[in-house]
This record gives sequence, C-alpha cells and structure tokens, in this order.
Amino acid sequence: DAKTTQPPSMDCAEGRAANLPCNHSTISGNEYVYWYRQIHSQGPQYIIHGLKNNETNEMASLIITEDRKSSTLILPHATLRDTAVYYCIVRVVSAGTALIFGKGTTLSVSS
Amino acid sequence: SAVISQKPSRDICQRGTSLTIQCQVDSQVTMMFWYRQQPGQSLTLIATANQGSEATYESGFVIDKFPISRPNLTFSTLTVSNMSPEDSSIYLCSVEGARGRPYNEQFFGPGTRLTVL
Repeated sequence: DAKTTQPPSMDCAEGRAANLPCNHSTISGNEYVYWYRQIHSQGPQYIIHGLKNNETNEMASLIITEDRKSSTLILPHATLRDTAVYYCIVRVVSAGTALIFGKGTTLSVSS
Repeated sequence: SAVISQKPSRDICQRGTSLTIQCQVDSQVTMMFWYRQQPGQSLTLIATANQGSEATYESGFVIDKFPISRPNLTFSTLTVSNMSPEDSSIYLCSVEGARGRPYNEQFFGPGTRLTVL
C-alpha cells in the first residue's frame, strides 16, 4: 500500500496558487518526499523532492512540516497546462528502489 | 534529463499473442524499471530490469507472463505474453542514474498503449 494520503481531486483558478496537500504520517527518517505529475497520456514528470527542508525550483515549492508527517506542493501561478494528476511519494533513496505510486490528486485548472 | 523512447507507441493485438516493447535511453543509466498503468488507474511497478541477470519482479508479476531483457545500460525490452483483454494498459519504461543527473531522479518514457481484443 502507498504510504501517502492525498485528496482525490482539487480545483484551481488559472493564475492562482495551487496548494496540494499530502499526508505521510508514517514516514521514516531516511525517506524523502517526492512529487511527480502525469499530464494526460504522458509519462510521469519529476517536479521536486525534499527530506526536511523546504525546497523550491523553477516548477514549484515543497513545504514539509517540522514533524515531516505532511507536506504541501505549491504551484505559485497555475496555468491550464498544469492540469494533471499529482503524485506524492515517500521513498528511501538507495540503489534499486523504484517509485511506488498511490492514487494521486487530480488537479483541474480552469480559466 | 535522460531521453527515453519506447517502441511501439501503441498497438492493438489479438488475445493469445505476445508483444515485445522496447525501451531505449540516450545515455547509460544505472537502473531501468517497467510499470503498468491500467485504464483510469495509477502506475504499478512490474519489475526492475537488471543488466546481465534476471529481472526482479514485484508481487503479482511473473517472468513467464512478462519476460524482460536488459542486454546493456541503455536498452531493455518487456514482453507481454499470451495476452488477454485484461492486459490492455499503458506500459511505461523508467530509468534512474542518468549521467549528469542526481542519482535518485527517476525519469519516465512516453509509454506504450496496448489494447488487446
């Protein structure tokens, strides 16, 4: 079973920030939080990952709570092209450990 | 990022036949994985393709049904054998450990959309 819990769907207005929550209450000290997204009919795309500090890149920001039991992916200015399924995954980073996907959150961005 | 191509991109097959899907990466990678995505579902890991040795299969997947080869560090194949309509899915190749990329960054190919009649 996936180690994360995400809402099945969310809506966001174009131009607004999209905040996608993820609960991972059983996360271990050596597990990272990864976010991927899958736009319809494409392979999943890496977004961002982090261990305990907040992270930011050109795509998004990742906010991890101090107890590491939950996190939020922030898309600062959502566009229609951000409509996708977003997957939050916790993962031990070691050789040969593949990503295990849960059900994810379907984000719908509308104008 | 690593550029991953899959062939075929899609196919329609008759039940009882087999289909081999190819995955080619533009650079050497450490790890290669195969996933299945059934209609309307999330991705499920089928196996890890090991270079020069037998693949490591996840629970519920067996070598007789999904034989995998990985002859070198840039290429792998997945065969879906004795197909039934339940095998209709998108099959995705994924890689990790591409040169110049963080070790733990996993990339995905575009997928092969398989329909079994």
